[in-house]
Amino acid sequence: GAGVSQTPSNKVTEKGKYVELRCDPISGHTALYWYRQSLGQGPEFLIYFQGTGAADDSGLPNDRFFAVRPEGSVSTLKIQRTERGDSAVYLCASSPTGTGGSPLHFGNGTRLTVT
Amino acid sequence: AQKVTQAQTEISVVEKEDVTLDCVYETRDTTYYLFWYKQPPSGELVFLIRRNSFDEQNEISGRYSWNFQKSTSSFNFTITASQVVDSAVYFCALSEAVRFSGGYNKLIFGAGTRLAVHP
Repeated sequence: GAGVSQTPSNKVTEKGKYVELRCDPISGHTALYWYRQSLGQGPEFLIYFQGTGAADDSGLPNDRFFAVRPEGSVSTLKIQRTERGDSAVYLCASSPTGTGGSPLHFGNGTRLTVT
Repeated sequence: AQKVTQAQTEISVVEKEDVTLDCVYETRDTTYYLFWYKQPPSGELVFLIRRNSFDEQNEISGRYSWNFQKSTSSFNFTITASQVVDSAVYFCALSEAVRFSGGYNKLIFGAGTRLAVHP
């Protein structure tokens, strides 16, 4: 079946601009996660949704970052006033439940470049 | 604090060699999960294995095997008879079963080990 889909695959934006990154999880997966991966590093947790609600947003670096999942399926990560340090690959993952131990299924990511 | 250390940044081997990727973790929880993921050049993280803290049995899946030792907080991954297609970055990850909204996987990743298998 279809995996986690992320769009766009690449996004280049100028410093100070606003961007939206989209994630379409695997159908039926209630848990959704956003991670950020900088060059040469492992992914770092940003936010977790169980259904429509953000159950844990402790990984968001500051208030320029925000994410929504209004209908419990597609999620959008929003970054305001982008900075060059925001450049990274943003990964989305989903899993069937929020239960600890459920493997996460990752998308291919969106590579964000802030110039 | 939780932490995952993959001390090997890069490993280079010739095809058919065996290779072991090391993973050491730190956690105060008694209940936790350990994972290995593969990230090929395409960028997608591919799930390989999950192990919970109560199951110390080693596991073998084809050419892959995993050695979990709680006494040394290690969860090492061995590829037997490596192939060029095994070339990728491999990540070890730790999840503590957070008792919040039913529990969920807040994965903490190591920095990864880049494996290059040459013909």
